[in-house]
Amino acid sequence: NAGVTQTPKFQVLKTGQSMTLQCAQDMNHEYMSWYRQDPGMGLRLIHYSVGAGITDQGEVPNGYNVSRSTTEDFPLRLLSAAPSQTSVYFCASSLTPGQPQHFGDGTRLSIL
Amino acid sequence: QKEVEQDPGPLSVPEGAIVSLNCTYSNSAFQYFMWYRQYSRKGPELLMYTYSSGNKEDGRFTAQVDKSSKYISLFIRDSQPSDSATYLCAMSERETGANSKLTFGKGITLSVRP
Repeated sequence: NAGVTQTPKFQVLKTGQSMTLQCAQDMNHEYMSWYRQDPGMGLRLIHYSVGAGITDQGEVPNGYNVSRSTTEDFPLRLLSAAPSQTSVYFCASSLTPGQPQHFGDGTRLSIL
Repeated sequence: QKEVEQDPGPLSVPEGAIVSLNCTYSNSAFQYFMWYRQYSRKGPELLMYTYSSGNKEDGRFTAQVDKSSKYISLFIRDSQPSDSATYLCAMSERETGANSKLTFGKGITLSVRP
């Protein structure tokens, strides 16, 4: 049982580059979300989805795009990377938004 | 005032100690309460999940909710070096529908010294 799988685990980008962080879950969860975790800031919600075809913004959405074409996948796109986006990104899923979420092991992203 | 406050720590205790981790919150509508454990370079994993007030025990871990004081606690008995991790509290008003999203504390890092 893989749970929530995130790729890549590490990435270094230059300012202005774009990239997609991948997230897949095999638990048939309707709710999926992306967080960033920074020292002293805790987990901050970037975007979330309550089902295929439905996405919405979280607390810190600027500079990120998402789409949800299938129940299983929820990729996060950085449009034009900035040093302020250096962080650890976590994808999570659950049956409903208020139930406990299952987290992936994160993508560590550095932007130079 | 933030919705969920958690002592930032860090916290260091000797092996075998009883550890008390706490969160306070301001939203009286929160009904579902969780504790997550996060090891270094890993994602958070669910440790305890409780509904409304009261205690829940699982092995060496006890989760306690006091809704009248808007205060939740996680107790770890006979702490072990393997308990060294960051602990995050989380809570929600309901499991589905409006205002059902999770609100997290910032986490506290615990170190258990052998």
